[in-house]
Amino acid sequence: SQQGEEDPQALSIQEGENATMNCSYKTSINNLQWYRQNSGRGLVHLILIRSNEREKHSGRLRVTLDTSKKSSSLLITASRAADTASYFCATAARTSNTGKLIFGQGTTLQVKP
Amino acid sequence: GAGVSQSPSNKVTEKGKDVELRCDPISGHTALYWYRQRLGQGLEFLIYFQGNSAPDKSGLPSDRFSAERTGESVSTLTIQRTQQEDSAVYLCASSLTSTYLETQYFGPGTRLLVL
Repeated sequence: SQQGEEDPQALSIQEGENATMNCSYKTSINNLQWYRQNSGRGLVHLILIRSNEREKHSGRLRVTLDTSKKSSSLLITASRAADTASYFCATAARTSNTGKLIFGQGTTLQVKP
Repeated sequence: GAGVSQSPSNKVTEKGKDVELRCDPISGHTALYWYRQRLGQGLEFLIYFQGNSAPDKSGLPSDRFSAERTGESVSTLTIQRTQQEDSAVYLCASSLTSTYLETQYFGPGTRLLVL
């Protein structure tokens, strides 16, 4: 069963604005990852944050993790039309030390030029 | 180097037929994962391989689904007696090892439509 829930389900912003997506999960995790998917096909790995980390940056991306609330957020700053895609969070459960990932339902982001 | 490849890109089949989906992982990656994505949904884990063995098959939805991996390389996901609810995109991913520390690299997926 799906573990993650994301909100909003859909987000539409203007180019240059920031986009924030949230993810909640249910069980203890080893890490949480964010992926991007264009046109419903292959996923691209964006960033991984470990359970003992609280914040991580990669270029225009900022991810936070609050294990006490079992939630994470992905912030994309100064958005571009090319950021239009679906974004998924995925967790690696602590009960399984493998890379098996449990995905959220995703947030569809539209960035208008 | 080449990424993860999958074939076919698209497959249309009739209900009741068997289908085989293929995944070629990145060379040297020992771990291989299969996921399914229904329209508008997130990915559902199906099965993963470490080498040629499958320690976790917990996501396979029924005994109509099976997968194998040979030579620590190519993997095949087989769906027997396909049903309309099997229509989805089937995604394969590989990683250097099967620990949770590794990044998974995804293929483009196979879009399966069962009529």
